[in-house]
Amino acid sequence: DIQMTQSPSSLSASVGDRVTITCRASQRISSSLNWYQQKPGKAPKSLIYAASNLQSGVPSRFSGSGSGTDFTLTISNLQPEDFATYYCQQSYITPQWTFGQGTKVEIK
Amino acid sequence: EVQLVESGGGLVQPGGSLRLSCAASGFPVSSNYMTWVRQTPGKGLECVSVIYSGGKTYYADSVKGRFTISRHDSENTLYLQMNSLRPEDTAVYYCARVWIGGYGGSMDDWGQGTLVTVSS
Repeated sequence: DIQMTQSPSSLSASVGDRVTITCRASQRISSSLNWYQQKPGKAPKSLIYAASNLQSGVPSRFSGSGSGTDFTLTISNLQPEDFATYYCQQSYITPQWTFGQGTKVEIK
Repeated sequence: EVQLVESGGGLVQPGGSLRLSCAASGFPVSSNYMTWVRQTPGKGLECVSVIYSGGKTYYADSVKGRFTISRHDSENTLYLQMNSLRPEDTAVYYCARVWIGGYGGSMDDWGQGTLVTVSS
């Protein structure tokens, strides 16, 4: 299986900050990388697909980049509703999809 | 509007069985890839089973031979039959619709989850 490693595991930030989360794949996965947001007690929500494409309705302050093995999720101008846990997921090998361990974004 | 509603979770003893259901609305289950994803505090998110639109199925090694994914097209419902349950199967189970594209696919729609607890 392809292993996905996120860093950091958690971070503290303030409203208005720019936040960057990194995801690294154990092998090259082209642009087959998705990002999800999960709030406590809720299901994950799809944010970005194919490394850099925003899902419909997702605010433009979210952006994704990368290809190969290294990817980033950036949240510019962090808003109160953005405090959540973020997961990356590779879709390079269908259907052996795997997730990163998550990055919790907390209020400083 | 797309909606997925899981049911069937609960407390079961080790070695027991449960059947999870995922009632879909707003789209045909039969025309989509559907998956069951479970979440535990220790292991995070794990895709345990997938059913292709054509009916082919996939299972993670951790559940192979014990879990069976199926769908009932006329009821537009996805199922996960779980047998020989183990304590390590304790998790919140989500069903999700997978949108397949050239990049693979993304889990675009999720249910609210149902908790399965395996304990004596």
